[in-house]
Amino acid sequence: DQQVKQNSPSLSVQEGRISILNCDYTNSMFDYFLWYKKYPAEGPTFLISISSIKDKNEDGRFTVFLNKSAKHLSLHIVPSQPGDSAVYFCAASLGDNAGNNRKLIWGLGTSLAVNP
Amino acid sequence: GAGVSQSPSNKVTEKGKDVELRCDPISGHTALYWYRQSLGQGLEFLIYFQGNSAPDKSGLPSDRFSAERTGGSVSTLTIQRTQQEDSAVYLCASSFQAGQGSSGYTFGSGTRLTVV
Repeated sequence: DQQVKQNSPSLSVQEGRISILNCDYTNSMFDYFLWYKKYPAEGPTFLISISSIKDKNEDGRFTVFLNKSAKHLSLHIVPSQPGDSAVYFCAASLGDNAGNNRKLIWGLGTSLAVNP
Repeated sequence: GAGVSQSPSNKVTEKGKDVELRCDPISGHTALYWYRQSLGQGLEFLIYFQGNSAPDKSGLPSDRFSAERTGGSVSTLTIQRTQQEDSAVYLCASSFQAGQGSSGYTFGSGTRLTVV
């Protein structure tokens, strides 16, 4: 059972336009949500995160929105640049009783292509 | 070191042979994780080490898989009697605490294992 779902395997956007990557989850106990970017032959790199008590977090061109009632989050990249072309993974974190987050539950990723 | 280092970067092995994959985490990081990504799949959790606590082995797919972390630093993932379905990219990640919910982990570049 996929607890974190990225329903779009790929997305193509023109340079300068907005890229919107979507992620849905099923477990209401997740306390953090994270986005990672992965280039070929490299490990994933952390991009941005959001706490479950927030509905928006912004960092430069990247903004993550969280809609808890819909169990949905999205990553907005604006303006998109060709260097943003990568696979984007959504991940959700479930903390234990001590407040530590032990492992991430991952989506399957969305491959973003930003065309010049 | 400056980042998480994994070796080898590529490994081709014959079916039935044993392989060892190595991970050098970031110095001072107490938490270490192994993941794998098979072709067309998301990131699959394998095992998690945190300090001197017993490792969380709940993600290991079979008893052919084992991992050690000696001295709280370097970790070795061993796959015995490799099968073709073991072919994947094996990723190691580390974090300062037991997984920081807000900032995630730092990943290595992975070991691409091909079983022929």
